[in-house]
Amino acid sequence: EIVLTQSPTTMAASPGEKVTITCRASSSVSYMHWYQQKPGASPKPWIYDTSKLASGVPNRFSGSGSGTSYSLTISSMETEDTATYYCQQWSSNSWTFGGGTKLELK
Amino acid sequence: EVQLVESGGGLVQPGRSLKLSCLASGFTFSNYGMNWIRQAPGKGLEWVASISSSSSYIYYADTVKGRFTISRDNAKNTLYLQMTSLRSEDTALYYCARRPYRYNYFDYWGQGVMVTVSS
Repeated sequence: EIVLTQSPTTMAASPGEKVTITCRASSSVSYMHWYQQKPGASPKPWIYDTSKLASGVPNRFSGSGSGTSYSLTISSMETEDTATYYCQQWSSNSWTFGGGTKLELK
Repeated sequence: EVQLVESGGGLVQPGRSLKLSCLASGFTFSNYGMNWIRQAPGKGLEWVASISSSSSYIYYADTVKGRFTISRDNAKNTLYLQMTSLRSEDTALYYCARRPYRYNYFDYWGQGVMVTVSS
């Protein structure tokens, strides 16, 4: 089973600040997917196939990476971006999630 | 509008069984792979089980293999999760989620149903 490790676990950013969340895989994966979850709500697909934005996701978000290292970047933090973000991969008929990164407003 | 509505959760004693259902609407259910994903209180997401559109391919997380059974009834647009030999660590919010064809992420999620395993 491939283990995904996200960093940081928690972070705070000021409005307008650039934010980068990293997801490292224990073995190489083909794609990484990202979800946004707000308290009391179901997760929402946010970025799929490493760099494609899901429907309705603002273009200040971007995704990149390959092999064992992937990232989600917010070019300019906004209040509505406060949430927990999870990365997810598929390999050998098994899906795994990272532990999550809680993003707060500074 | 795609909707996934889970039901069947509740409080159950350790070692007992419970069956969850997920009623799908707003899309052609028989064309999509479906999954169960859970989230323990205050914790992260954990994939539980996956079933292909025609039930030909079924996969489980090691933590539930041999205890949980995923199934579907395409005529009823319903996904199921039969859970047996429940443990306290199975306590979680259980989501059903759709997987788009040829992709390996989850594009629609239900609101979740709570399962609490406690004596």
